Amino acid sequence: QVQLQQWGAGLLKPSEALSLTCAVYGGSFSGYFWTWIRQPPGRGLEWIGDTNHAGRTKYNASLKGRVTISVDTSKNQFSLNLDSVTATDTGVFYCARGMSLSSLYNLGLPPSLDVSSAFDFWSQGTLVTVSS
Amino acid sequence: IQLTQSPSFLSASVGDRVTVTCRASQDISNYLAWFQQKPGKAPKLLIYAASTLQTGVPSRFSGSGSGTEFTLTISSLQPEDFATYFCQQFNDYPFTFGPGTKVDLK
Repeated sequence: QVQLQQWGAGLLKPSEALSLTCAVYGGSFSGYFWTWIRQPPGRGLEWIGDTNHAGRTKYNASLKGRVTISVDTSKNQFSLNLDSVTATDTGVFYCARGMSLSSLYNLGLPPSLDVSSAFDFWSQGTLVTVSS
Repeated sequence: IQLTQSPSFLSASVGDRVTVTCRASQDISNYLAWFQQKPGKAPKLLIYAASTLQTGVPSRFSGSGSGTEFTLTISSLQPEDFATYFCQQFNDYPFTFGPGTKVDLK
């Protein structure tokens, strides 16, 4: 069974950097898209970005270049760094596994062209609060 | 790509048939998923590719639609189904989610 376990600081001051790491247990690390998603208190979900095992990344432009996602295949881990946080960054952050679109739809795409799709496994989430 | 959901809130009883609608701002083919989220928990994947049931999800859940309009149907609402439901498009980056539909007890 696939499990995602995350950790990182839960209380930050404005202008600090948020850093979270997610470890993947079980299943293959390659062939999937390792994703960060956040949810402000009482609100909906926002896709932050993803990476594959080769380190190809996609980011949400709404975060204005503040986000970096990195991968460590030797440990089956991936990390999120979000610079210059403000109170509006407060929320629950989840890591999740995105399924390969090529596999889901039998597209036969080469790995370099494959992209993510739906998220089948999620972490428990970490509440990150930004407050002075 | 913007996703809207209707209704935002839905009150229903155990055994009711429940339908939630998700509309996309442009054609997303069938690149749509549905999730269930309970308070304090991570979302759970119910359906992907608009109508394919995720492994382990009860058959009372079903999805339909393509293009810009999609529906999630629960054929007979069970006590454990009271939750918030989100749709998500994966037609194009950045992936986006609908605002959610909260199903509570009438």
